[in-house]
Amino acid sequence: ELKVEQNPLFLSMQEGKNYTIYCNYSTTSDRLYWYRQDPGKSLESLFVLLSNGAVKQEGRLMASLDTKARLSTLHITAAVHDLSATYFCAVDPPNNTDKLIFGTGTRLQVFP
Amino acid sequence: NAGVMQNPRHLVRRRGQEARLRCSPMKGHSHVYWYRQLPEEGLKFMVYLQKENIIDESGMPKERFSAEFPKEGPSILRIQQVVRGDSAAYFCASSPKRADLSEKLFFGSGTQLSVL
Repeated sequence: ELKVEQNPLFLSMQEGKNYTIYCNYSTTSDRLYWYRQDPGKSLESLFVLLSNGAVKQEGRLMASLDTKARLSTLHITAAVHDLSATYFCAVDPPNNTDKLIFGTGTRLQVFP
Repeated sequence: NAGVMQNPRHLVRRRGQEARLRCSPMKGHSHVYWYRQLPEEGLKFMVYLQKENIIDESGMPKERFSAEFPKEGPSILRIQQVVRGDSAAYFCASSPKRADLSEKLFFGSGTQLSVL
């Protein structure tokens, strides 16, 4: 059974600082997704990573994928308060592309 | 182009009642997925449907839960005889085609079910 783990689960960071959120998964997959969720809101798609070595950047967020290590990272550069949210990674299981397996999420709080 | 529409936004039921959650996919999307999110947890897959077909219901509880996506109208997730453990946020997502999740899944705003 595919398992997806994120760490840290909670992250409190000061504005202007950098940090990385990690997403590990247990079986082979070539597709990984990052979502953002604000409290009481739906999920907003941030990145879709489709191949080993893929790197995507949007503003202060950068995501990468290492399929050999079964690891994805979401790097935050010079955090701002607006980035406060819960971030989920999700993995597309092998040979089964009709659903995603989500990690438990990382709750990020950015303070002044 | 309206996004994925879910209603109601909030639903309160007493134990033993029925809950019906509706989801209208994005225009042009014929694939619908239902996920459940318990407090402080990630989303858990429940069921995947195409028009008039259930493709994968491996995440659905065996009893009391059912889903449909008729030829006309929204997809419905139905929970009979609700219990307190059913309290959760239920999210619907849609995509234009299967077997190509290189396309993003588009999520609705969710239905928060509270069972008293």
